[in-house]
Amino acid sequence: DAGVIQSPRHEVTEMGQEVTLRCKPISGHDYLFWYRQTMMRGLELLIYFNNNVPIDDSGMPEDRFSAKMPNASFSTLKIQPSEPRDSAVYFCASSLGRGLGETQYFGPGTRLTVL
Amino acid sequence: SQKIEQNSEALNIQEGKTATLTCNYTNYSPAYLQWYRQDPGRGPVFLLLIRENEKEKRKERLKVTFDTTLKQSLFHITASQPADSATYLCALDPSAGKSTFGDGTTLTVKP
Repeated sequence: DAGVIQSPRHEVTEMGQEVTLRCKPISGHDYLFWYRQTMMRGLELLIYFNNNVPIDDSGMPEDRFSAKMPNASFSTLKIQPSEPRDSAVYFCASSLGRGLGETQYFGPGTRLTVL
Repeated sequence: SQKIEQNSEALNIQEGKTATLTCNYTNYSPAYLQWYRQDPGRGPVFLLLIRENEKEKRKERLKVTFDTTLKQSLFHITASQPADSATYLCALDPSAGKSTFGDGTTLTVKP
């Protein structure tokens, strides 16, 4: 398996523009997670899905952020409108089940810069 | 409030020595704790998991301890090598909650 795939790897945009980040989880994994990593706040969980259904979105910073998972092999994280403080590395991760100790497999991340 | 603290942002050691990283937590009752490694420009990679009823877990040159009384986990790398240089993250997954990651400790092993 190719692992978790994210695109784009780098995104530079201007404030106010819409940004869409994409993720393909590992085939067969039924949990998908979106994280954001910054120097100031570390690695933060934004939202996670189970069988394509959003379970907990309490980490989503505000209404400008939205995430969807239309099928088991694809998820998007959208920011509209984007702001400079959204600049960060966004990781997608997937896992097989949510039992105690399930390992999360992370993608390479998308480095977002909002000017 | 719940809090995870990893010792000093950076740790520098000489090749061949044992590196010891610390993860302390407060206001948590984790069922288990995980350690991840993160290299620059990459996502975290899982290394080891230890459960609340386990005192110690080993994998090759890695050893993790878990003291639920002290609310602390120690992560040891023995016979360290320059290739072990990376940022190491601990993650707690309370049995009724979701994974929470520490800020990480950046380890540099000098030849």
